[in-house]
Amino acid sequence: NAGVTQTPKFRVLKTGQSMTLLCAQDMNHEYMYWYRQDPGMGLRLIHYSVGEGTTAKGEVPDGYNVSRLKKQNFLLGLESAAPSQTSVYFCASTDPSKGSDTQYFGPGTRLTVL
Amino acid sequence: GDSVTQMEGPVTLSEEAFLTINCTYTATGYPSLFWYVQYPGEGLQLLLKATKADDKGSNKGFEATYRKETTSFHLEKGSVQVSDSAVYFCALESRGGKSTFGDGTTLTVKP
Repeated sequence: NAGVTQTPKFRVLKTGQSMTLLCAQDMNHEYMYWYRQDPGMGLRLIHYSVGEGTTAKGEVPDGYNVSRLKKQNFLLGLESAAPSQTSVYFCASTDPSKGSDTQYFGPGTRLTVL
Repeated sequence: GDSVTQMEGPVTLSEEAFLTINCTYTATGYPSLFWYVQYPGEGLQLLLKATKADDKGSNKGFEATYRKETTSFHLEKGSVQVSDSAVYFCALESRGGKSTFGDGTTLTVKP
């Protein structure tokens, strides 16, 4: 099992460019999440999904969009990147229906917006 | 809403010192409580958890007890090692499968 994987690991964008971050999990989990981590601010939830074809807003959704077309993948899109979106992005998954309340995290994507 | 408050860092200790990182929470009901650890350049991974009051979670020499009366879940280790240097996050399971995280405490252990 690879667990949760994220691509890319690093990316540098110019203001206004767009990109998509990919998260994939092979644990057949229903729930998936995108967080951003900034110094001194812990983890903040951007968007999440409770199943294939569903998405919901988290704490800081503005400037991001997501899609969950397949159960194993959760995509995070930035349509027009801004310097305020410079951060480390983590994907996670879990499955409460299987009795799991633990979140499994990917290794992160470090994004810099110039 | 739910919230987690943990001890501000950074915390610097000498090897073999005793560690306590405080964590208190506000939540409706009795959520599961977690400690996650993040080593440099990696994602978070579960360190330990407790699912009900008075439960003690333990792993790798770390312990934390779910205290309902004080709404706390303090992390302790009797003798830290250099390899324990990391960022530690306290978290609780919120409704809808979401988790609420504290801001993280950076621990540095010096030889």
